[in-house]
Amino acid sequence: GAGVSQSPSNKVTEKGKDVELRCDPISGHTALYWYRQSLGQGLEFLIYFQGNSAPDKSGLPSDRFSAERTGGSVSTLTIQRTQQEDSAVYLCASRGSNTGELFFGEGSRLTVL
Amino acid sequence: QQPVQSPQAVILREGEDAVINCSSSKALYSVHWYRQKHGEAPVFLMILLKGGEQKGHDKISASFNEKKQQSSLYLTASQLSYSGTYFCGTEGSGGSNYKLTFGKGTLLTVNP
Repeated sequence: GAGVSQSPSNKVTEKGKDVELRCDPISGHTALYWYRQSLGQGLEFLIYFQGNSAPDKSGLPSDRFSAERTGGSVSTLTIQRTQQEDSAVYLCASRGSNTGELFFGEGSRLTVL
Repeated sequence: QQPVQSPQAVILREGEDAVINCSSSKALYSVHWYRQKHGEAPVFLMILLKGGEQKGHDKISASFNEKKQQSSLYLTASQLSYSGTYFCGTEGSGGSNYKLTFGKGTLLTVNP
């Protein structure tokens, strides 16, 4: 596709369940970013990838959060044993060059009951 | 380190001007500006890479004072379509390049 694609667009889960959020970046984009946006809040940095490597994982809130990227393309953000405070919109963005703009996906809205 | 934006919110009448500021405690490599409308993804406005450089598009422009680690976004003769939340994102220099950290945002409301 032409843009960044995220799935699912909406996910409702029960506390304690694991969830996987997927991001398909723009083809050829080497850098990929994950952000979390809680209701009315800013964009909280989670992690970014250069190719398949994650130089900076400092934004991951806890060890329940993990992310991987394979083939320099698709990325998956996994949240284990979800908690209610994990409820947020998870945004993915990709970037074609180190001085380029970020292209954001529409986000995955996660609701933990 | 997250950049600090001010003001947190601003309300304008159509045709008025506004300035949104962004500051960092770290030396910066670049500053990005994005606008997000309610329920939508953030959309790119501009990137500033050099100290003192000013960029503009139509009636929206920005400056970047590298020495002060500050950037400002200028919206002149605001239009209804300018309403949304504006985010600045910063990349630090030396070793932390490419990690783009955003401020908490400035909510801009333009009324008729």
